[in-house]
Amino acid sequence: QKEVEQDPGPLSVPEGAIVSLNCTYSNSAFQYFMWYRQYSRKGPELLMYTYSSGNKEDGRFTAQVDKSSKYISLFIRDSQPSDSATYLCAMMTTDSWGKLQFGAGTQVVVTP
Amino acid sequence: DADVTQTPRNRITKTGKRIMLECSQTKGHDRMYWYRQDPGLGLRLIYYSFDVKDINKGEISDGYSVSRQAQAKFSLSLESAIPNQTALYFCATSDGAGDTNVLTFGAGSRLTVL
Repeated sequence: QKEVEQDPGPLSVPEGAIVSLNCTYSNSAFQYFMWYRQYSRKGPELLMYTYSSGNKEDGRFTAQVDKSSKYISLFIRDSQPSDSATYLCAMMTTDSWGKLQFGAGTQVVVTP
Repeated sequence: DADVTQTPRNRITKTGKRIMLECSQTKGHDRMYWYRQDPGLGLRLIYYSFDVKDINKGEISDGYSVSRQAQAKFSLSLESAIPNQTALYFCATSDGAGDTNVLTFGAGSRLTVL
């Protein structure tokens, strides 16, 4: 069983809808949680970063962490066609020397 | 110019050939990483280096070797390529400041082994 599970999609939504993405994990020692966005033929880029539990908001993006359930989420409000990409969750422990564990990525398609 | 540059971007080779993927960065970061991306498996760490004299194996290092020629250069070698090494390879860097370890990725090198 992988440490980080993520539904690969694809997830297709109409423009303006809310996109909801999530990951589950098994290692309770994970403390740092990130979401990366990857456009086709590009490298991943950091979208959101959260330490421990709670919510974080940045513009149209909200990241949530529920450590009791080992579950993290990313919400994209007012989705745009430019949000079409693959979204990868990633996480690490405090003693992992910076080595991230990634989910498989969810492909999102926002249709005009 | 990109902060993290990978060459070549695409490579097709045959089983048994030696292949080198190169990575250079202008971020001034000490930490460099090689990841492999396969459909359905996400990104998996092959090797990482925290400075020029420090090389460490990652999750899937078998069949690969690396060289950290300078702070800015980190190359990945496949001594004898095999078809299941067909994948998208990413180099990444981080400054290791604090606990965030935010990674900056290159655009990737797509390798096909026939």
